[in-house]
Amino acid sequence: SQQGEEDPQALSIQEGENATMNCSYKTSINNLQWYRQNSGRGLVHLILIRSNEREKHSGRLRVTLDTSKKSSSLLITASRAADTASYFCAPRSGNTPLVFGKGTRLSVIA
Amino acid sequence: GAGVSQTPSNKVTEKGKYVELRCDPISGHTALYWYRQSLGQGPEFLIYFQGTGAADDSGLPNDRFFAVRPEGSVSTLKIQRTERGDSAVYLCASSLGGPDTEAFFGQGTRLTVV
Repeated sequence: SQQGEEDPQALSIQEGENATMNCSYKTSINNLQWYRQNSGRGLVHLILIRSNEREKHSGRLRVTLDTSKKSSSLLITASRAADTASYFCAPRSGNTPLVFGKGTRLSVIA
Repeated sequence: GAGVSQTPSNKVTEKGKYVELRCDPISGHTALYWYRQSLGQGPEFLIYFQGTGAADDSGLPNDRFFAVRPEGSVSTLKIQRTERGDSAVYLCASSLGGPDTEAFFGQGTRLTVV
């Protein structure tokens, strides 16, 4: 299993702005998953992008994957105060466990 | 149940005591994960079950930590001789299994060792 490294560690933006966070990993993957965590409790799955996909959308979320650079980005458009949370990526190879990095702490200021 | 259930939600114990934390996964989910999370950190992987067996227990920090899943459903994380450094939120997650499946998390058990 491998863990992703999220960047930046912290991000503060105004409501309505877009937020971009990045994830880098080291070895080849089958997919990469993004999760959100509010208030230090359970994580919530946001989106899964497979290794043969380059971009995926879900509502205000847009995820890209560049396997040649071993990196992914998560874009949240038109951010809201409710998007304030920590965001984690989990690169996955085969049936290995999901392993998380330190995450990006996003603060959206109303 | 509708989601992953963890009990208790909070547990305070004295240093040196034994604790058990319980996780009820979503029915039918074959994969089950345990993590622990300290303030300001990401979830730290502890152990991963596929069915009844531990597929990967490389994250267990030492032999005071042990987890079981005897019938492939409910899992119990057991911590012996607790130390103050064990204080953290312990998270459980389950999934259908397979590489392209998402994990569903419980709300965690906050363990405080005093």
